Amino acid sequence: GAVVSQHPSRVICKSGTSVKIECRSLDFQATTMFWYRQFPKKSLMLMATSNEGSKATYEQGVEKDKFLINHASLTLSTLTVTSAHPEDSSFYICSASPPVPDTQYFGPGTRLTVL
Amino acid sequence: GDSVTQMEGPVTLSEEAFLTINCTYTATGYPSLFWYVQYPGEGLQLLLKATKADDKGSNKGFEATYRKETTSFHLEKGSVQVSDSAVYFCALSDPTGANNLFFGTGTRLTVIP
Repeated sequence: GAVVSQHPSRVICKSGTSVKIECRSLDFQATTMFWYRQFPKKSLMLMATSNEGSKATYEQGVEKDKFLINHASLTLSTLTVTSAHPEDSSFYICSASPPVPDTQYFGPGTRLTVL
Repeated sequence: GDSVTQMEGPVTLSEEAFLTINCTYTATGYPSLFWYVQYPGEGLQLLLKATKADDKGSNKGFEATYRKETTSFHLEKGSVQVSDSAVYFCALSDPTGANNLFFGTGTRLTVIP
């Protein structure tokens, strides 16, 4: 099946620094990529939707200046957490969608810990 | 708004037991419904889906039927195995066609030998 990778799988950083997470579709072109955040014992919450070559669409309550999303190519999207704080510690998951309805392939997730 | 309510876990079963994980949804339109599974250390994988009322999705012995009258999509398996231990997520697609998903909270299943 289609493979989506995320890098890094785990990252620990100091408060105030920025962290970039990459999401790649390895064997298909993703017209749309999604970024989710997963809290302990809670569901995945959609943060933003990005289409290749255009600005991301953020969900209500998600700070676009804090969570910078770039979808520069059909196989790569990045999420940058700027000026990270301990409350940003979470599990971030991306998914990639080919131009097929109701189809998303998920990455393995990135565990971010901000000290 | 659109949402999914999923049975909270964790669920612990003995091998060969019958499994049901309840899922109900609220949606303004006609969404597609999904079950995703997350094995330890891996990303979410699509387990099965149903795109319209009365459709039954099935895969690897798991089944779920899209019930519009009860707004439900319960996951069932007649005989679970240790290898089924994972977290299961019920989800629905945005009926406006935006292609994003709304997830339930996930149910952790542990199957013991």
